[in-house]
Amino acid sequence: GQQVMQIPQYQHVQEGEDFTTYCNSSTTLSNIQWYKQRPGGHPVFLIQLVKSGEVKKQKRLTFQFGEAKKNSSLHITATQTTDVGTYFCAGRGGLTGGGNKLTFGTGTQLKVEL
Amino acid sequence: DTGVSQDPRHKITKRGQNVTFRCDPISEHNRLYWYRQTLGQGPEFLTYFQNEAQLEKSRLLSDRFSAERPKGSFSTLEIQRTEQGDSAMYLCASSSEANYGYTFGSGTRLTVV
Repeated sequence: GQQVMQIPQYQHVQEGEDFTTYCNSSTTLSNIQWYKQRPGGHPVFLIQLVKSGEVKKQKRLTFQFGEAKKNSSLHITATQTTDVGTYFCAGRGGLTGGGNKLTFGTGTQLKVEL
Repeated sequence: DTGVSQDPRHKITKRGQNVTFRCDPISEHNRLYWYRQTLGQGPEFLTYFQNEAQLEKSRLLSDRFSAERPKGSFSTLEIQRTEQGDSAMYLCASSSEANYGYTFGSGTRLTVV
């Protein structure tokens, strides 16, 4: 079945440093979404990428979808303490299968120290 | 509309007992999803409804798990003969279209003792 892996699993940064998490799927995706889950909270939708090579920005967050639609990344510039949480990518299967459901990645837990 | 509601927030049950969880999605959302999440892991897909039709069910889901959405509005997830391995956060989510982002509820945390 479809598998979605993320690296790194954990990341500790000093406030103001940049952060990047990478997402890789075992199959080609029709689209990919990113979610943020604060400690003790539930996943909250951030963005969806659909097109090959697509890049989208939300303030300090930059999202990319790979040319082959099998990988994606999230980059945060100048992290703040409000960025703390676990970031999940979630892929929806393409022509090779996976159905209509989202398959979530393993997540990257971000901690920001003052 | 205040978002996706789940009830109860917490459930502690003895092994072997049956439990039922309820999810009320955003009213205009016709798609409803159940996921399970354990500590340090990403949400794991359980099942998916479009209106009242259950369109997909995880192969990992044993026969002890069943879900319904009888009128295309709220949904219930039942676990029969609970086992300790069923302890997890059960998340419900809804969306208005197939390719839109999901809105998750706060989840039901199940502890089987």
